[in-house]
Amino acid sequence: SQTIHQWPATLVQPVGSPLSLECTVEGTSNPNLYWYRQAAGRGLQLLFYSVGIGQISSEVPQNLSASRPQDRQFILSSKKLLLSDSGFYLCAWSLSGTASYEQYFGPGTRLTVT
Amino acid sequence: DQQVKQNSPSLSVQEGRISILNCDYTNSMFDYFLWYKKYPAEGPTFLISISSIKDKNEDGRFTVFLNKSAKHLSLHIVPSQPGDSAVYFCAASARFGTSGSRLTFGEGTQLTVNP
Repeated sequence: SQTIHQWPATLVQPVGSPLSLECTVEGTSNPNLYWYRQAAGRGLQLLFYSVGIGQISSEVPQNLSASRPQDRQFILSSKKLLLSDSGFYLCAWSLSGTASYEQYFGPGTRLTVT
Repeated sequence: DQQVKQNSPSLSVQEGRISILNCDYTNSMFDYFLWYKKYPAEGPTFLISISSIKDKNEDGRFTVFLNKSAKHLSLHIVPSQPGDSAVYFCAASARFGTSGSRLTFGEGTQLTVNP
């Protein structure tokens, strides 16, 4: 069966510091991968998605970037965090192609920028 | 532009009664709709879905209804249980080419089921 891992679970970082969140998926090959953010009291906002190694699409202009160095690894980064980057970050995967619409989420990372 | 809207931020029902969560969308290109359930500090879990070619899909206590002409869908939970208390997100999907699909989420409805 497929599993998705995210770490760390929680993170407190000062303004201006760098960020690296990692997500890995097991049990499937060539998945589509996604990064979402949930701000306090808000819905899920799609930040990035990837259909393959090195292929990243950005949904909104922001202080963040994403990379996919390996088939089942997705990394969310920032060079300098802003207060507005605080939130709950979620990684998700789905089957590639037209096989499925469902996305499956990881446990999330709670980021607090102070 | 909020393409998927859940106008009720919260809903409270008694155990054993029916819970009805509503969702409206504006984009006629959406062709698949999903409901997710989320507990605090956890990732959302997929609950049930429906294709735009159907008007109803049922899975145990959960039924999703789709009214395409009204661009409206709803999730019915019957009977409601205290363990159903969570935030429920509606999501709508549109394909991007042949590589997959992207989901657009509503802002969620907090369901509280009282014993």
